[in-house]
Amino acid sequence: DAGVTQSPTHLIKTRGQHVTLRCSPISGHKSVSWYQQVLGQGPQFIFQYYEKEERGRGNFPDRFSARQFPNYSSELNVNALLLGDSALYLCASSTGPSETQYFGPGTRLLVL
Amino acid sequence: AQSVTQLGSHVSVSEGALVLLRCNYSSSVPPYLFWYVQYPNQGLQLLLKYTSAATLVKGINGFEAEFKKSETSFHLTKPSAHMSDAAEYFCAVSGLGGFQKLVFGTGTRLLVSP
Repeated sequence: DAGVTQSPTHLIKTRGQHVTLRCSPISGHKSVSWYQQVLGQGPQFIFQYYEKEERGRGNFPDRFSARQFPNYSSELNVNALLLGDSALYLCASSTGPSETQYFGPGTRLLVL
Repeated sequence: AQSVTQLGSHVSVSEGALVLLRCNYSSSVPPYLFWYVQYPNQGLQLLLKYTSAATLVKGINGFEAEFKKSETSFHLTKPSAHMSDAAEYFCAVSGLGGFQKLVFGTGTRLLVSP
C-alpha cells in the first residue's frame, strides 16, 4: 500500500510570496495533520483535519491555513512568506483524529 | 500542557554496542508516548508506541522502550547497534482526547561507528 505522499518535494520562494503544499493520506485514513520542522528541531504541530473539519490548531499565525477535501487529501497554505518559514513541512495521516499518525516524506521549503 | 525532554542531542556508539536514548515526559493526563526515527532527507517513521497497555513496548528493527510512570521516562533501547541505525530519533507525547496532537522533543542524533 502507498504511504502518505506530499508534493512538491522541494520548493524555493521569496519573502512575501504565497505557497501551497499538498498531501495525500494513506488509503482509508480520514485524518490529516500538518507539522513544521525547522532545521535542528523537532516537528511542531500546525493543524489537524478530520472529515473536512479542523480539529486542532497549533500556535501559528493566521498566515497559515489549511483545508481538507472530500477525498481526504489536504492543502497547507502559507501567505506572506517570511525567512523563518523555511522548514520541512510534514504531513501525517491517521484513521481518525485520536489514532496513530503516519508521516509522509515532507516538503522542504526555502524562503529567500 | 505536555512536553518531552530528550537528554543528549548526540549519542555515539560502536557497532554491536547497546543503544540507550533517553526521554522524559511531562503530562497532566495519562500520556500516549511514541518514538519516531528520521533518516537524512526523509520523513518520520514510527518505531513504537505506548498506549497504556504493557509497559514494555517492542517496536521495529529490534528497538524497545519501557514506560516508567514513577520516573516519567520512556527510554529507547536496542541491545546491539547496526550501522543502519544511524539517524535522528524523536520522542513524542500526546494526551487522550478528541484529537492527537503530537508534542516532540528536540531529537537525538545516533552515530554508529564501525
